[in-house]
Amino acid sequence: QKEVEQNSGPLSVPEGAIASLNCTYSDRVSQSFFWYRQYSGKSPELIMSIYSNGDKEDGRFTAQLNKASQYVSLLIRDSQPSDSATYLCAVITLGGATNKLIFGTGTLLAVQP
Amino acid sequence: ETGVTQTPRHLVMGMTNKKSLKCEQHLGHNAMYWYKQSAKKPLELMFVYSLEERVENNSVPSRFSPECPNSSHLFLHLHTLQPEDSALYLCASSQGPNQPQHFGDGTRLSIL
Repeated sequence: QKEVEQNSGPLSVPEGAIASLNCTYSDRVSQSFFWYRQYSGKSPELIMSIYSNGDKEDGRFTAQLNKASQYVSLLIRDSQPSDSATYLCAVITLGGATNKLIFGTGTLLAVQP
Repeated sequence: ETGVTQTPRHLVMGMTNKKSLKCEQHLGHNAMYWYKQSAKKPLELMFVYSLEERVENNSVPSRFSPECPNSSHLFLHLHTLQPEDSALYLCASSQGPNQPQHFGDGTRLSIL
């Protein structure tokens, strides 16, 4: 079983719609969760972090965490063509001499004008 | 300068060459990381340094050799690489092991 799973997409939404990106993880004791945005040919950029159950809102972005279901999601309201990118879910898992940040393969989001 | 800076941005080398990738962070962070990103695969953690000490070597072949002379600089020395090593190599830093990581722009490496 993959440690962090995401649907690779592409997820296509019309401009102005809500984009919903989902991620599941396998390590029950994970405590820290992040969403990164990666434009083609660029490096990942941190857009949201969440550490406790519930919702966390930042502008048009809302991260949702459900530790019981081992599920974290990212909602993008009023999607814009500039939001088109690959969204990477990342989870810190405990292991070895240090904690590890494990990434999913990413979901490609395409916002259609 | 701010953030995490990587040089060079692009590198083409033969399998017998020796080259080094450089990373510098201006964020005052204590931990630095090397990742490999290949097409259609998740980011793969290669090395972790915390306070200039290597704390993780994620089963990386010995043809990749990291060096961390201080908390702001990280190098990845390359020698006798293979074609499958062609990828985007990303450096990241964080304040601590549970804190978000901030990435540089990466070095696009091509092995001929």
